[in-house]
Amino acid sequence: DIVMTQSPDSLAVSLGERATINCKSSQSVLYSSAWYQQKPGQPPKLLIYWASTRESGVPDRFSGSGSGTDFTLTISSLQAEDVAVYYCQQYYSSPPWTFGQGTKVEIK
Amino acid sequence: EVQLLESGGGLVQPGGSLRLSCAASGFTFSTYAMTWVRQAPGKGLEWVSGIRGGGGDTYYADSVKGRFTISRDNSKNTLHLQMNSLRAEDTAVYYCAKSSATGTDIYWYFDLWGRGTLVTVSS
Repeated sequence: DIVMTQSPDSLAVSLGERATINCKSSQSVLYSSAWYQQKPGQPPKLLIYWASTRESGVPDRFSGSGSGTDFTLTISSLQAEDVAVYYCQQYYSSPPWTFGQGTKVEIK
Repeated sequence: EVQLLESGGGLVQPGGSLRLSCAASGFTFSTYAMTWVRQAPGKGLEWVSGIRGGGGDTYYADSVKGRFTISRDNSKNTLHLQMNSLRAEDTAVYYCAKSSATGTDIYWYFDLWGRGTLVTVSS
């Protein structure tokens, strides 16, 4: 199975500052990665797919980049409503489709 | 409105069974693959099972293979997960999620999620 490893496990960022989350896969998944946001008490929400394509309605302060084994989610200017846990996911080839362990983003 | 609504969770003893359901609305249900993803209390996301739009192909995580069965009724826009031989480690919120995949597409990301239903396995 492909293992997705996120870093850091948590980070605290000041309002208006940049937040960067990394995700590394145990083997190349080309561009087959997605990012999800999960706010407390809510289901996950798709933010980014195909590594860098923003889902409809997602604010443009969220961006994704990377390919192969290394992927990044960037929040360019953190807002209070962005406090959440963020997960990466790979969907390369056959199942199982696997998620990273999650990164908790808080306000500093 | 495009939505997924899960039901059927609850408290069950180890070794018992439960059947989860997910009612879909607002999109052409039979076109899309569907999946179940679970989240143990305070933990991350774990993909559990998936089924293609036509229902002919099903997939399972090793942790549930042989115990869980996914199915769908496209005439009723409903997804099911039959869970047998339940264990304490199956305790989680179970989310129904719509896949982006249609037909034989192998690339499954999940673009619509239900609010989840809690399954607790305990004596």
